[in-house]
Amino acid sequence: DTAVSQTPKYLVTQMGNDKSIKCEQNLGHDTMYWYKQDSKKFLKIMFSYNNKELIINETVPNRFSPKSPDKAHLNLHINSLELGDSAVYFCASSKGRDYEQYFGPGTRLTVT
Amino acid sequence: TQLLEQSPQFLSIQEGENLTVYCNSSSVFSSLQWYRQEPGEGPVLLVTVVTGGEVKKLKRLTFQFGDARKDSSLHITAAQTGDTGLYLCAAPQGGSEKLVFGKGTKLTVNP
Repeated sequence: DTAVSQTPKYLVTQMGNDKSIKCEQNLGHDTMYWYKQDSKKFLKIMFSYNNKELIINETVPNRFSPKSPDKAHLNLHINSLELGDSAVYFCASSKGRDYEQYFGPGTRLTVT
Repeated sequence: TQLLEQSPQFLSIQEGENLTVYCNSSSVFSSLQWYRQEPGEGPVLLVTVVTGGEVKKLKRLTFQFGDARKDSSLHITAAQTGDTGLYLCAAPQGGSEKLVFGKGTKLTVNP
């Protein structure tokens, strides 16, 4: 009965590869987010979708492409991975846009 | 971009001690949230404060929103080892849908 789940938990890959991270929420929320947490634990928003519509698109490289097939899922695809992409990526969801967010357990991406 | 400054950055105390951590900004916020993040996990929402001067209590944790809605504090009474974690404050950035996070206070409670 996990509220927000992400797969995989850990992802180790080489530079230049393409990888995807999946996120699912069973809370019935309308809005989903992707955050990046760097090595200094700074959490920064990357994207947000509301009812499958992109509403926040921060200044991230266009190698990062979110996809929301339905309200309960928001996946993150990353092309041509670089060393600097190594971080923990968190998916989150909220009911509407009222900001109280529920986070997944995170995906630790390591690019070698 | 509205900045949230959290202090101290690191705090190490003994079990049973009291502590206060702070979240400050020069901007006024409509609301402010506190999250706790444990190692290897995602942040978990503790509380949302909305009204200037508001005080909310969650067991041994007391949250206060400043009268001017520019700052907030979190006070923990008789800290326990289970309180160890990264405490993050967050607030909606004015005029946008974004939630902006502070850099956090890493709290370690030693037995």
